[in-house]
Amino acid sequence: RKEVEQDPGPFNVPEGATVAFNCTYSNSASQSFFWYRQDCRKEPKLLMSVYSSGNEDGRFTAQLNRASQYISLLIRDSKLSDSATYLCVVYTISGGYNKLIFGAGTRLAVHP
Amino acid sequence: GAVVSQHPSRVICKSGTSVKIECRSLDFQATTMFWYRQFPKQSLMLMATSNEGSKATYEQGVEKDKFLINHASLTLSTLTVTSAHPEDSSFYICSAWTDRTDTQYFGPGTRLTVL
Repeated sequence: RKEVEQDPGPFNVPEGATVAFNCTYSNSASQSFFWYRQDCRKEPKLLMSVYSSGNEDGRFTAQLNRASQYISLLIRDSKLSDSATYLCVVYTISGGYNKLIFGAGTRLAVHP
Repeated sequence: GAVVSQHPSRVICKSGTSVKIECRSLDFQATTMFWYRQFPKQSLMLMATSNEGSKATYEQGVEKDKFLINHASLTLSTLTVTSAHPEDSSFYICSAWTDRTDTQYFGPGTRLTVL
């Protein structure tokens, strides 16, 4: 089983749609959780951290369920510029080093 | 925000040659830097963790004699792909950790093509 698993995608949605991405992680000792965005042939960029209480940043809402080891990202009112690959990322300390473990990513394509 | 640079951004080389990739933290000191590799349509895979002044810690399946990592200063880490083969062609991305914000910042990546 992969350490971080995501919806395979791709998601093709019209502008204005609401879309949700899911992610599960296997290491219950994982400490922090993030969503990154990666555009084609570019480095990943931090979109938002994910907190147990849930957090919102404009059109983006992230949720964490530690009991189920489940993370979600909701995007409301999708824009063309939201088209990208969204990476679920888990931060774990292993062997004394902090590590970011990346999911395979879910590709989102927003069309007019 | 913190800035991490990588050089070169793109390199094409012949099979059997060695390629060095530099990763620099431009406005902060990074005691820990990370090297990732990303094949097309796949996620980033951590190759190694690099700490200034000590040997890098390699992930399982990554050959330390093939991927040489040097972290000589708090702002520079280098990855050398030795005797490169076509299967080493990939997108190599470094990141640097700063305690200041408890965050990793990624470099823009280096696209390596081995002919």
